[in-house]
Amino acid sequence: EVQLVESGGGLVQPGGSLRLSCAASGFTFSSYWMTWVRQAPGKGLEWVATIKEDESEKYYVDSVKGRFTISRDNAKNSLYLKMNSLRAEDTAVYYCARQTTVDYWGQGTLVTVSS
Amino acid sequence: DIQMTQSPSSLSASVGDRVTITCRASQGIRNDLGWYQQKPGKAPQRLIYAASSLQSGVPSRFSGSGSGTEFTLTISSLQPEDFATYYCLQHNSYPRTFGQGTKVEIK
Repeated sequence: EVQLVESGGGLVQPGGSLRLSCAASGFTFSSYWMTWVRQAPGKGLEWVATIKEDESEKYYVDSVKGRFTISRDNAKNSLYLKMNSLRAEDTAVYYCARQTTVDYWGQGTLVTVSS
Repeated sequence: DIQMTQSPSSLSASVGDRVTITCRASQGIRNDLGWYQQKPGKAPQRLIYAASSLQSGVPSRFSGSGSGTEFTLTISSLQPEDFATYYCLQHNSYPRTFGQGTKVEIK
């Protein structure tokens, strides 16, 4: 069974940093592209970033380019999202998802950016 | 960027009704589209992939169709557990883009 478990969310001040983690199990993590998607409170879904199996390709939505970095550790079956220079508009539930086609999702972790 | 225009934004329907939701892409995306269901407080779940293929475990009352720029999700006979918000996602090019969502409510 595919399982994706996010962690690392919390309350952070504007301009601060946070690193999200996603622990994957139930599939061969190193063989799949991985994706982050977010959802602001009461809003729709927004694709954030995607990374290739070997980290050779990474893609980001324009609003996070230069501030967020997606990475992975295939030995640890883990996906990461390092978020710097956080803004109020980054407040959202962040979901880890498998593949560029987004077939399976984690349960999400809430990031709140507020003073 | 490819824009995904989803309609309607909300609808009210009764149990047993046939429901249709549409996504239009601003340019052709072949069949690179998925449909998702999200219930309050839960993560989305994929219902349809490659525009018309049913995800394993999803009831057959859900179906998808379309190719190019126009896509449809149909629920043939709405059940109580189907009241939720539905989204489309194009994965033809980056940035990936979702439709705005359709909230299906009980009439």
